[in-house]
Parts: sequence; C-alpha cells; structure tokens
Amino acid sequence: QVQFVQSGAEAKEPGASVKISCKASGYFFSTYGVHWVRQAPGQRLEWMGWVNAGSGNTHYSQRFQGRFIITRDTSASTVYMELSSLTSEDAAVYFCAQEAPGTGVWDSWGQGTLVTVSS
Amino acid sequence: QTVVTQEPSLTVSPGGTVTLTCASSTGAVTSANYPNWFQQKPGQPPRSLIFSTTNKHSWTPARFSGSLLGGRPALTLSGVQPDDEAEYYCLLYYGGAQPWVFGGGTKLTVL
Repeated sequence: QVQFVQSGAEAKEPGASVKISCKASGYFFSTYGVHWVRQAPGQRLEWMGWVNAGSGNTHYSQRFQGRFIITRDTSASTVYMELSSLTSEDAAVYFCAQEAPGTGVWDSWGQGTLVTVSS
Repeated sequence: QTVVTQEPSLTVSPGGTVTLTCASSTGAVTSANYPNWFQQKPGQPPRSLIFSTTNKHSWTPARFSGSLLGGRPALTLSGVQPDDEAEYYCLLYYGGAQPWVFGGGTKLTVL
C-alpha cells in the first residue's frame, strides 16, 4: 500500500527557513513524481512544485521561485521541500502528493505538515 | 494568471444527486487538462477521487463519477450519503510556468 509520511509541525520566526520531509513506502520510489501543495487556513489548495523522483528534475511555481527548493534522497525514499524567507503568509499546512510522471494521475497524499510563522 | 472556479457551496439531501463543476478562465477544458477531483474533510489531507476526467481510483465509491459537461469537468454524486459532506476540489493541468491549478473548492452540505 502506497503511503507518505511527512515530518512534524514546525514553528518558525519570520525570515527563517523550513524544511519538511515526505517519506514514501509501498511502491518503487523512482518511478513516480511528488508534488508539494499548501493550504493556508480557510484557503484553497495551492500547487507549489514537483520533483521527478527518478531523475531529480524539478518544476516550481513562479510564485515561489527563488525561495523554494525540492530535493530527494532515493536511498531513503524521501522527498524534501525547503521554503526560505518565511512570512506570515507562508503559515499553512503543506502536503506532498504522488503522481505518475506525465500521466496527470494524482493519487496518494501525505498527512500534511503544519507550519506556523510568528515572532 | 489562470483561475479555476467552482461553485462555492452546494446542498443536497441524503439519497439525492448533485453535480459539481469546474470552470477555467482559459475557456473550455478538455481531457488534455487531466482533470482530477479530490475530497477533503476538516483536518484531513485531500483524497483523490477521479483522475483524467472520468477515471476512478480503486478506493473511489461507485456513487462518484466524473465527466465533461459543456467544456467543464464535472463530479456527480448519486445516492449521496451523510459521509459525503466535505470540500471538493478540482485540479487542472495547463503546462508551462504554472502547470497545475486548483479550483477554489465546493463545500458540499448534506442536509
């Protein structure tokens, strides 16, 4: 069974960076891509970026260009996202989600990681 | 910037049928936009229901179906159950700099 387990909640100060992990199990890690999506309180889901877990190729939303990085560790079947220069507007729940590259088929999601930003 | 619009809220009676739709600011949606539908309940991650317009995952209840209606992706729930009360999001693919765009979500109330 495909499963994604994300790292725990984070509390950060404005200007700091946050790094969240998403560990995959139940499938061959390198054959899928992983998206990062966030949801601010009471807001819609927002696509942030994607990594091809096999090749490491990434694609980021222009909205986060320059301060958002996705990496992966194939030996650990884990994808990471790091968002820097945090502001209060980055307070949200961050999700990872799986897609078979080029198919447009989204299926399994992580449980979400809450990030709070406050001084 | 592409905007995807959904009905903000809908109400349906138990056992009834309801259709949710998704409109793209770029015009008619086709299968090339890979429409996906997700269900999200409070405090939970989204759950994938429909992919590629009409296809169900193995876990998707039979009462959920996807289609294209007049150039808009649609999610139809037939024989609605109280447990279907949730927020529903569509997701469309556009390629380019902002390849994936979520709709604003539809809050479905079963009453």
